[in-house]
Amino acid sequence: DVKVTQSSRYLVKRTGEKVFLECVQDMDHENMFWYRQDPGLGLRLIYFSYDVKMKEKGDIPEGYSVSREKKERFSLILESASTNQTSMYLCASSLGRSYNSPLHFGNGTRLTVT
Amino acid sequence: AQSVTQLGSHVSVSEGALVLLRCNYSSSVPPYLFWYVQYPNQGLQLLLKYTSAATLVKGINGFEAEFKKSETSFHLTKPSAHMSDAAEYFCAVTLPNTGGFKTIFGAGTRLFVKA
Repeated sequence: DVKVTQSSRYLVKRTGEKVFLECVQDMDHENMFWYRQDPGLGLRLIYFSYDVKMKEKGDIPEGYSVSREKKERFSLILESASTNQTSMYLCASSLGRSYNSPLHFGNGTRLTVT
Repeated sequence: AQSVTQLGSHVSVSEGALVLLRCNYSSSVPPYLFWYVQYPNQGLQLLLKYTSAATLVKGINGFEAEFKKSETSFHLTKPSAHMSDAAEYFCAVTLPNTGGFKTIFGAGTRLFVKA
């Protein structure tokens, strides 16, 4: 079965810390995505990657960076965490260059920045 | 700008009643449309997707959606709600983007089912 695994379910970090959120997929998918989910705003795309070492900015990339050194792993980095980055973070992957490939999601990481 | 609008952040129905969750999209290119469901403390999972093969799309758990180009809509329905349908539902569209494509989501509609 398809699986996207996010390394942490809950994280609590302090303002100014560097934070790493890790995501691994076991489906050999080309595309990987990071979204943040906030009440009333739905999911907003932070970054995505359609190939190893490739990355594209989404709609809200400010304050974030990403790394994709291997096909199965996509990391989201908060260079200096701030309280407005407290949110649920969802990783997803999809197959190939097809517009109608659905996204497969992890269970999310709830990050609290204090 | 491309967008997805879900009308109603909360919908409440009685068990056994019709479920109707509304989604409208704006797109200058043929849309690739999806509905996802999120149960508490979980990620999203695919309910159904529009592939242009048919305007009425059937998904899991008895849900279906109808693509209406003239109305730019892709509303989700289920004839008879069950308590287990209580969840948050997201409409989404995949769009071309430099270097690939991206999926954008509506704000979500939380469905409550009353006994």
